[in-house]
Amino acid sequence: KAGVTQTPRYLIKTRGQQVTLSCSPISGHRSVSWYQQTPGQGLQFLFEYFSETQRNKGNFPGRFSGRQFSNSRSEMNVSTLELGDSALYLCASSVQGGDGYTFGSGTRLTVV
Amino acid sequence: AQSVAQPEDQVNVAEGNPLTVKCTYSVSGNPYLFWYVQYPNRGLQFLLKYITGDNLVKGSYGFEAEFNKSQTSFHLKKPSALVSDSALYFCAVRPYSGAGSYQLTFGKGTKLSVIP
Repeated sequence: KAGVTQTPRYLIKTRGQQVTLSCSPISGHRSVSWYQQTPGQGLQFLFEYFSETQRNKGNFPGRFSGRQFSNSRSEMNVSTLELGDSALYLCASSVQGGDGYTFGSGTRLTVV
Repeated sequence: AQSVAQPEDQVNVAEGNPLTVKCTYSVSGNPYLFWYVQYPNRGLQFLLKYITGDNLVKGSYGFEAEFNKSQTSFHLKKPSALVSDSALYFCAVRPYSGAGSYQLTFGKGTKLSVIP
């Protein structure tokens, strides 16, 4: 079966712009989580959605937001981009959240 | 709050030798524990998980891990390393229930290099 699909794979944006990343979970998975990976901070949890509701949020500023649609697809948005937002953004899906996570290949965001 | 420590940034092992990648954790209550592997410019690939039951967990590609509650450890092992095992390995934890139970907390990662 198809895995977790993240689009786009690569993105270059300018400081101050905003960006939207997309994640399509495995069919039947209703939980979608987002993580930021940087060399300095490692893997950090952004937020988790289940059935269109945000259940958990990490310690990131309000510029980072997300949503989940009725088909379980999820998007995350970063507004007013800063250089420090350059990272690999990973999406993970799970049937209900917590028991096992399948990760996508990620979106590499570069802010210049 | 939960935390994971991977005390070694890098582990070098000769091909054919056994390998161990160490992980200790801190969490309230019972833990769910995971190991993931990451190859360059790729996402995380699931190796194995511990939820309950037998302390020795067998996973993908010949990897296994032993859950030790008293030492709060979950070390990853493989009897015979392959060059293709060279990658970045992450240990992760989440509490069984309560606050934070829908998020994984990761260690900093251990780079494994298998030398031919």
